[in-house]
Amino acid sequence: GAVVSQHPSRVICKSGTSVKIECRSLDFQATTMFWYRQFPKQSLMLMATSNEGSKATYEQGVEKDKFLINHASLTLSTLTVTSAHPEDSSFYICSARDPSGSTEQYFGPGTRLTVT
Amino acid sequence: AQSVSQHNHHVILSEAASLELGCNYSYGGTVNLFWYVQYPGQHLQLLLKYFSGDPLVKGIKGFEAEFIKSKFSFNLRKPSVQWSDTAEYFCAVNFMEYGNKLVFGAGTILRVKS
Repeated sequence: GAVVSQHPSRVICKSGTSVKIECRSLDFQATTMFWYRQFPKQSLMLMATSNEGSKATYEQGVEKDKFLINHASLTLSTLTVTSAHPEDSSFYICSARDPSGSTEQYFGPGTRLTVT
Repeated sequence: AQSVSQHNHHVILSEAASLELGCNYSYGGTVNLFWYVQYPGQHLQLLLKYFSGDPLVKGIKGFEAEFIKSKFSFNLRKPSVQWSDTAEYFCAVNFMEYGNKLVFGAGTILRVKS
């Protein structure tokens, strides 16, 4: 099946710094990837939809200047949390849309971000 | 706004008990429906999906779900749970008129006692 990886799996950074999270589709090309945030004991909240070669579409309430998304190739999307604050600490999950065009998504293992 | 409701946040069952997890969504248009499972420490995996056709969908590991359009529901069932089914279960809906994104329910944590 389709495999999506994320790197790093865990990251700790200091307040005010930026951190980049990578999402890769390993055995297929993904024109559309998604970035989610999952708070403890809560569901996944979609942050943005990342389309290869174009600007990401952000959900209402998500600061696009704070959460920079780049989808420069068909197998890689990156999420950069800029000027991180402790409240940005969370579990970030990416997914890739089924290459056949269906609405099914394949999920990465997630990245645990802790901002100190 | 489109929303997905999962009514039980925590469910505890003994092995061999039957399972039914509820999922309702807020919208009457065309939908694609999914159940995902997240085992402890692992990433989300697809259990089953419904796009069209037979409203009774069979998935992996003995799970099934029934789409009842009139009730806006897509409940997940398993006749006999095992200890290894301990996990968190998420219902997700693609509201097709609003693009390709998925809206997730809050999740149900299932603990199966051996």
